[in-house]
Order: sequence, then structure tokens, then C-alpha cells
Amino acid sequence: QVQLVQSGENVVQPGQSLRLSCAASGFDFRYFAMFWVRQAPGKGLEWVAVISSGGSNRYYADSVTGRFTISRDDSQNTVFLQMDHLRLEDTAVYYCAKSLVHNGGTYFDSWGQGNLVSVSS
Amino acid sequence: DIRLTQSPSFLSASVGDRVTITCRASGADSRYLAWYRQKPGKAPELLIYSASSLQHGVPSRFSGRGSGSEVTLTISSLQPGDIATYYCQQLYAYPPTFGQGTQVEIK
Repeated sequence: QVQLVQSGENVVQPGQSLRLSCAASGFDFRYFAMFWVRQAPGKGLEWVAVISSGGSNRYYADSVTGRFTISRDDSQNTVFLQMDHLRLEDTAVYYCAKSLVHNGGTYFDSWGQGNLVSVSS
Repeated sequence: DIRLTQSPSFLSASVGDRVTITCRASGADSRYLAWYRQKPGKAPELLIYSASSLQHGVPSRFSGRGSGSEVTLTISSLQPGDIATYYCQQLYAYPPTFGQGTQVEIK
């Protein structure tokens, strides 16, 4: 079955960098767009970034544009999120998610277990 | 950005009750909306997509219906395992957006 396994929890200081990874199995990874979604403590879900199948198209939320970079390695079935210049407000659980495209809409049909990223001085 | 507004924000019901949550989209057709359930401390899980399509493996007590810019999620018989926060979501247009969530508790 589909599995998305994420790297572990992290505590960093403001201004530092961190790279999250999400290893996929159980589906043909290269054909699917992959997403990162985050959830601040006690808050709702917020989309962060997306990378298309093949990696040619990448989009970011305004809150992370210029600081975060999404990438993928289809040979390893892994998607990454490079997070630079981290801020206190980036503290959240970060989820990777697999796309499901149906009749013109895109949804998230499988999710990783989540990584807690804590940015604290 | 497409704004999704859920109602109610909080819901308390008894086991076996029929429960309905509504999501209204500004500038989006209900055909492109989905529902997720997030149990405490867990990742979200897809329940319904394209307004009314039941995701594989999701119990049939969950159903969705769309009309215009509004979708509803109905749980026909609330179970203790349904204690969770429910979110609607759209990705018909970027950026993807989520509703603010509806917290469901058992009376």
C-alpha cells in the first residue's frame, strides 16, 4: 500500500536551515505531484509547496517564497523541503502528501506521518 | 485566493446521531472540493473528493454532496472513532486552501 515516511523531529534556531525528506513507496512516484502542508500548534492546515511530476514546475505559499525550496529525486522516490532562514512562525508539523487528480480538482490522498519543526531561540 | 468557510466550527453530538458539516467556497465550484478527517495527533486522511466521491476504504457512513459553491459532509451515524477535526479543501485554483476546521466531539 502507499506509504510516505518522513524524517524525524527537529529543533532549530531562527535563521538556521533544515531539510525535510519524505520517502514514498507503494505507487509509481515519478508520475505524481507531491505537496508539503504544515500545521502550526493548535491551528489549521496550510499548504506550503508543490512540485510537479518530473519536477519542472514548483509553486510556493507566499509565506515561504524565497526561503523554502521543494525538490524531488525520482531515483530514490523521495521529495525534499529545504527550509532556509527559518522564522519563529515556521514552527509547525510538516506533512508531505501525494496528489490525487480527479475531474479537474487535485486532492491529497496519502499523507506522511508528519515532522515537528520547532524554531526557537 | 479561494476562501473556504466551514460551519459550525464546533459540534457536539451523541453516538448514533446524524451529523452535517457545511463548507462554502468563495469563487469555486463545489465539484472541486474535498473533505478530510484529522484525529488528534494524527495526519489528515481523505474522506470525500470531488464533492461526493468516497475515498477507498472510508466507511459508507460518510457522504458528501455539492450544490453551487457549497458542499456538505454528512456522517449518518456518529461513532466514537469520529472524534476529530474535519477540514474541507480545494485545489481548483492555486494556492490550495483549507477551511478553518470543524471540531467534532461526542456528548
